[in-house]
Amino acid sequence: GAVVSQHPSRVICKSGTSVKIECRSLDFQATTMFWYRQFPKQSLMLMATSNEGSKATYEQGVEKDKFLINHASLTLSTLTVTSAHPEDSSFYICSARDLAGGARGGSYNEQFFGPGTRLTVL
Amino acid sequence: GDSVTQMEGPVTLSEEAFLTINCTYTATGYPSLFWYVQYPGEGLQLLLKATKADDKGSNKGFEATYRKETTSFHLEKGSVQVSDSAVYFCALGSGGGADGLTFGKGTHLIIQP
Repeated sequence: GAVVSQHPSRVICKSGTSVKIECRSLDFQATTMFWYRQFPKQSLMLMATSNEGSKATYEQGVEKDKFLINHASLTLSTLTVTSAHPEDSSFYICSARDLAGGARGGSYNEQFFGPGTRLTVL
Repeated sequence: GDSVTQMEGPVTLSEEAFLTINCTYTATGYPSLFWYVQYPGEGLQLLLKATKADDKGSNKGFEATYRKETTSFHLEKGSVQVSDSAVYFCALGSGGGADGLTFGKGTHLIIQP
């Protein structure tokens, strides 16, 4: 099946610094990628929808100036946590939607998930 | 808003036991329903889905039926294996999965030999 990678897999940073997380679709093109956040023993919460070549759409309560999303190509979206604080510590997961999945024998509009990035802010 | 409630784990079963993981949802309109599985160290993988009422999704011996009258999408498997040990997430979404998904908290399943 289609593969989505995330880099880094885990990162530890000091409070006040910025951290960039990359999400890549390795063998398909994704015009839309999604960013989720997961707290321990909680569900994944959708943060934003990232569209290639346009501004991201943020969910209610998510600070767009805090979580900067860039989707500059059909295979890469980045999430930058700016001026990180300990409360930003979490597990960040991206997914990518394969519009051509149906044509390749897969499921139309299926989302493929990356393995996640564990962010710890000290 | 939309929400998904699934039974809390961990759920521990012996190999070859029957599995049920309950999932109920609240949503406006007619969402699609999904079960995702996450094996240790890996990303979420789509296990099965159903896009309309009374549809049954099935894969790898797992199945779930979209019950609109009870707003449920319970996951079942007749005989579990050790390799089924993972975290299972119930989710809903509009557009057949084209939009961002709403997830349950996940159920950690442990199968003992």
